[in-house]
Amino acid sequence: GESVGLHLPTLSVQEGDNSIINCAYSNSASDYFIWYKQESGKGPQFIIDIRSNMDKRQGQRVTVLLNKTVKHLSLQIAATQPGDSAVYFCAENTGTASKLTFGTGTRLQVTL
Amino acid sequence: GAGVSQSPSNKVTEKGKDVELRCDPISGHTALYWYRQSLGQGLEFLIYFQGNSAPDKSGLPSDRFSAERTGGSVSTLTIQRTQQEDSAVYLCASSPGTAPRGQFFGPGTRLTVL
Repeated sequence: GESVGLHLPTLSVQEGDNSIINCAYSNSASDYFIWYKQESGKGPQFIIDIRSNMDKRQGQRVTVLLNKTVKHLSLQIAATQPGDSAVYFCAENTGTASKLTFGTGTRLQVTL
Repeated sequence: GAGVSQSPSNKVTEKGKDVELRCDPISGHTALYWYRQSLGQGLEFLIYFQGNSAPDKSGLPSDRFSAERTGGSVSTLTIQRTQQEDSAVYLCASSPGTAPRGQFFGPGTRLTVL
């Protein structure tokens, strides 16, 4: 079946450095992608999204890059802070707004 | 206003018992979603309600799982004859429409089946 996966289960970065979290997707029909942040004991929180007609979108300290050729999605966090420590999920949507397919998540650990 | 709330926050039950999990969506949100998150896994879609339309139940893993949404607001997810593999965090989300971006998640209910 279709799936969304992540390359790195755990990423450790030093405070102040930039973080890059990667995600591979397999459904070429997916046209909408979202990054969520999930802190311990909480539900996922929307970070940023991107549509398939774009290859880059920037938010506050975060940038999402989409490479449709290799079906790859990445989340870049600038000047990583301790509060960024969480599990990050990518999710894809294939036109049916009712469903999101989530990857398994990457844990980001920020060291001081 | 308040966000999505879920109750109970934790539920421990014995194998074979039935459980009910509750979700209170954000007021005015027409769409409501249930997901299941197993340890170390991503979120698995279970069921989706949109307004008065028939729910999309395609993600329910077995006929032991059911959900209803009363009055277009509160939703209850029921698991009958629970099994150990049902142990997971059950997350509810709501959105003002059908756009995935608008999905706001609750804190989840952690279900443990002994």
